[in-house]
Amino acid sequence: EAQVTQNPRYLITVTGKKLTVTCSQNMNHEYMSWYRQDPGLGLRQIYYSMNVEVTDKGDVPEGYKVSRKEKRNFPLILESPSPNQTSLYFCASSPTGTSGGLNTQYFGPGTRLTVL
Amino acid sequence: AQSVTQPDIHITVSEGASLELRCNYSYGATPYLFWYVQSPGQGLQLLLKYFSGDTLVQGIKGFEAEFKRSQSSFNLRKPSVHWSDAAEYFCAVGPKTSYDKVIFGPGTSLSVIP
Repeated sequence: EAQVTQNPRYLITVTGKKLTVTCSQNMNHEYMSWYRQDPGLGLRQIYYSMNVEVTDKGDVPEGYKVSRKEKRNFPLILESPSPNQTSLYFCASSPTGTSGGLNTQYFGPGTRLTVL
Repeated sequence: AQSVTQPDIHITVSEGASLELRCNYSYGATPYLFWYVQSPGQGLQLLLKYFSGDTLVQGIKGFEAEFKRSQSSFNLRKPSVHWSDAAEYFCAVGPKTSYDKVIFGPGTSLSVIP
């Protein structure tokens, strides 16, 4: 089944304790992205990656890191989490090609993070 | 500045009634346009998308949307709402010619009264 998976789905942690949220897609998509969703703000892009070893900042990159060593994986790293990073996080990927594939994103199920 | 607005934060409709969710965008050129739905506790699912051609596009679950260039709008409609349509709906825009960031609206929460 074609899908984007995220782990963990739920995470409660404390301020300053490094954590990683994994994202993996099995559709051979080049483009991957991380968003955070907060009430009233919709989805805001954190980082995106156009291909292996190519990453770039989105709208709200502060406090986050990413890496893209393999095409299928795009982990999100919080080196020193703070309470303002409590949010719902989504990973997404996009296929290549024409006919409307560009920017049609497939989303993971989300990771709800709470930083105490 | 590029932006997407969804004027209605929350809408309540009765089951069987018609539905229209509004979306307006500000963008340098005509973008790709999308509607996504997020059911409670779920990720986002693509409902429909517009790239070119016929300005009325059909999507899944009986939804349709109409692109109006003159109004920079892409409103979502459904003729008869079902209780299972209760969810959060997001309008989004993205560029046609590159992998660039997709901009999402703030969302409209839909409640359905039996």
